Amino acid sequence: EPEVTQTPSHQVTQMGQEVILRCVPISNHLYFYWYRQILGQKVEFLVSFYNNEISEKSEIFDDQFSVERPDGSNFTLKIRSTKLEDSAMYFCASTQQGGYTEAFFGQGTRLTVV
Amino acid sequence: QKEVEQDPGPLSVPEGAIVSLNCTYSNSAFQYFMWYRQYSRKGPELLMYTYSSGNKEDGRFTAQVDKSSKYISLFIRDSQPSDSATYLCAMSGMDTGRRALTFGSGTRLQVQP
Repeated sequence: EPEVTQTPSHQVTQMGQEVILRCVPISNHLYFYWYRQILGQKVEFLVSFYNNEISEKSEIFDDQFSVERPDGSNFTLKIRSTKLEDSAMYFCASTQQGGYTEAFFGQGTRLTVV
Repeated sequence: QKEVEQDPGPLSVPEGAIVSLNCTYSNSAFQYFMWYRQYSRKGPELLMYTYSSGNKEDGRFTAQVDKSSKYISLFIRDSQPSDSATYLCAMSGMDTGRRALTFGSGTRLQVQP
């Protein structure tokens, strides 16, 4: 069964450092998303990506965040200068068409900023 | 008022019980409704996707949508200890101006053997 894969599963970084979280969406999907979940809180939308550009973003997705699809399979989230409050689970998701079909999530990257 | 409200639980039931999980929402533009299961520190796993009002059944799971009341439910029949997880409702809609999902806070379910 096709699945969304994310690497690494856990990343520890020092405050102020840059991190890149990686995702391989399901191969025939066209829309890609990043969500985050702070421990004990709800899953929150960060950004969606379609046709090699950001299609929408939330107020959380500020200038320290960026996304990229560097090749035909990978989809990355970069956090430029990490803060303690960036510590969370980051989930990549993809959908076949727009956001109105089933969204499939990866297992997440647990980011710990120390 | 939160856009999507979900009782956080925990909900504890004996094995074999019927479980009812619910979400209410305030935005009438939501049209697409999903239920996810999430085990601790894992990604959300899609269980059910529904579009219209009414019921949809898949094995032991039934999803119910009542758009007039802005209320959705997930029923689990013959619950098993392996069903112990957090259940998330999520929704989206073309007229919300956002393709991404809006999630409830999740209900933690514990099925006791």
